[in-house]
Amino acid sequence: EAAVTQSPRSKVAVTGGKVTLSCHQTNNHDYMYWYRQDTGHGLRLIHYSYVADSTEKGDIPDGYKASRPSQENFSLILELASLSQTAVYFCASSPWGAQDTQYFGPGTRLLVL
Amino acid sequence: TQTVSQSDAHVTVFEGDSVELRCNYSYGGSIYLSWYIQHHGRGLQFLLKYYSGNPVVQGVNGFEAEFSKSDSSFHLRKASVHWSDSAVYFCAASTTGYQNFYFGKGTSLTVIP
Repeated sequence: EAAVTQSPRSKVAVTGGKVTLSCHQTNNHDYMYWYRQDTGHGLRLIHYSYVADSTEKGDIPDGYKASRPSQENFSLILELASLSQTAVYFCASSPWGAQDTQYFGPGTRLLVL
Repeated sequence: TQTVSQSDAHVTVFEGDSVELRCNYSYGGSIYLSWYIQHHGRGLQFLLKYYSGNPVVQGVNGFEAEFSKSDSSFHLRKASVHWSDSAVYFCAASTTGYQNFYFGKGTSLTVIP
């Protein structure tokens, strides 16, 4: 069974603060993704990576950085958190890209005050 | 612009009823289509996908979907729903060589026991 875990599961942050969301997969998948989910918007891609030490921008990368230090780990970094970044964030992995099945983590609920 | 639209934000049915959740896409070229399910407070889980071949694909838990190129559609169906099918259903699409998976806004299905 594919396994993607995220930490923390929920977080309250202050405006202007730094937030790091972590994702770990034990699937041995090359591709990893970060999405945000907002009510009425479905999921939107922030960053993705297809190999360690490399990240790519998705559709809404502004205000976010990503880091892929190893095949298993993929972090999303908010250097200066803003109110508009309040959302649920999902990490996913897939074996060979967006055309393949994606395996999602349980999500991180972020509230920026 | 590539889009995935799910015309019904909410669908309510009784247990044992059949249901169809609609998905339309606008893409050029080869397309990969999927359906995912999200139970409340959980991550997304894969239901089924289509790329080529038989336009009717079977998924987990009795779900099936039918691809129609002429209608640009990939509707999800189930012949007899159970209360545990209550969830949000997302249609998603991607194309060859493109790493984004575009998600629709989701359809919330409520099954009344």
